[in-house]
Amino acid sequence: GENVEQHPSTLSVQEGDSAVIKCTYSDSASNYFPWYKQELGKRPQLIIDIRSNVGEKKDQRIAVTLNKTAKHFSLHITETQPEDSAVYFCALTSYNQGGKLIFGQGTELSVKP
Amino acid sequence: DGGITQSPKYLFRKEGQNVTLSCEQNLNHDAMYWYRQDPGQGLRLIYYSQIVNDFQKGDIAEGYSVSREKKESFPLTVTSAQKNPTAFYLCASMGQGSFTGELFFGEGSRLTVL
Repeated sequence: GENVEQHPSTLSVQEGDSAVIKCTYSDSASNYFPWYKQELGKRPQLIIDIRSNVGEKKDQRIAVTLNKTAKHFSLHITETQPEDSAVYFCALTSYNQGGKLIFGQGTELSVKP
Repeated sequence: DGGITQSPKYLFRKEGQNVTLSCEQNLNHDAMYWYRQDPGQGLRLIYYSQIVNDFQKGDIAEGYSVSREKKESFPLTVTSAQKNPTAFYLCASMGQGSFTGELFFGEGSRLTVL
């Protein structure tokens, strides 16, 4: 089945630095790419998403870029703050698997003050 | 207060017992989903339902069963056939029946098999 490879699995940055998380995939028909944030002990929540007809989308300090040719998409967080510490999951719709949403393995981001 | 309610939050089960996890939503969403979360493995889809009285297997359906008799409810039964049931279970819903929209998650149920 479709695999979404997410890297790195853990990421530690200093407050104010940028953080980048990357996901690669193989299904060229995928057209929806959301990112979810899960704070410790809480439910995952959608933070940003992008569709295949767009190359980049920004929302304040977070942005997502999509390279359909290379089949990867990335989450960029600028000016990180301690409250950005969480597990981040990428996901995509896999039409090779009936359009289901497939999640990456998760990245644990730690922002040190 | 609209949202998704899962219960119980914590559950302990002896081997060989079935257990049912409850998921209720008052968002008037058509689609509901069950995911299993294990450390380092992301969220894996167990079952999903895009409309009342219909549901489909996800990627790891073996040892699980569901029902969707009401729009608001999508209970998950973890049967004794599930070989490694200890995990964190998340229920979610989406407004439309496709996967290209925002998933709203419940707070999860942590099942431990003793």
